Amino acid sequence: DAKTTQPPSMDCAEGRAANLPCNHSTISGNEYVYWYRQIHSQGPQYIIHGLKNNETNEMASLIITEDRKSSTLILPHATLRDTAVYYCIVRASNAGGTSYGKLTFGQGTILTVHP
Amino acid sequence: GAVVSQHPSRVICKSGTSVKIECRSLDFQATTMFWYRQFPKQSLMLMATSNEGSKATYEQGVEKDKFLINHASLTLSTLTVTSAHPEDSSFYICSASFQGWGETQYFGPGTRLLVL
Repeated sequence: DAKTTQPPSMDCAEGRAANLPCNHSTISGNEYVYWYRQIHSQGPQYIIHGLKNNETNEMASLIITEDRKSSTLILPHATLRDTAVYYCIVRASNAGGTSYGKLTFGQGTILTVHP
Repeated sequence: GAVVSQHPSRVICKSGTSVKIECRSLDFQATTMFWYRQFPKQSLMLMATSNEGSKATYEQGVEKDKFLINHASLTLSTLTVTSAHPEDSSFYICSASFQGWGETQYFGPGTRLLVL
């Protein structure tokens, strides 16, 4: 399975954009990049995912580099409620990939949004 | 959409008893459900994967006779921790996915188990 590397922690001021990086240099062609977050004592929340094009939804934007070896999750206007552990996960999209169907969680990035 | 519930949210039991945790997909049919465990200050670890109507596939090191999984319908999966011991105390989280939605996993709120 392709592994991901994230910084252990980041800080962000409320109202500013939070840019969370992720390296996935061994990603395969059929593997998507998924982002989840986990607020303390809750189940993970799905944020966004992408294959090679940039993606945007009501929660965040996902920027994937052209070589797909890294990506950045952008929270455009961070609030205190965005304080959480953010997980970047690589997952195969169809049967036959070794990571098919499975999400392998690393340690993630602890994002702290401060006033 | 994509709401997953778990029941109970918290359970305390005596050592040696069995505990059943339910996971339900409320607004979609889950072709696959997953069970995870999370110990304090650690990340989520996948325990098993189940498809509706078939036996669960357990990850290496997870005892299938101790953690019984039943996925009897497209909206319900249960995890039974048999003969629970204090070391089984953990945060148990399920997720569900629907093949038609690109198989994105949606997670439940988790169940905190404390075995005394």
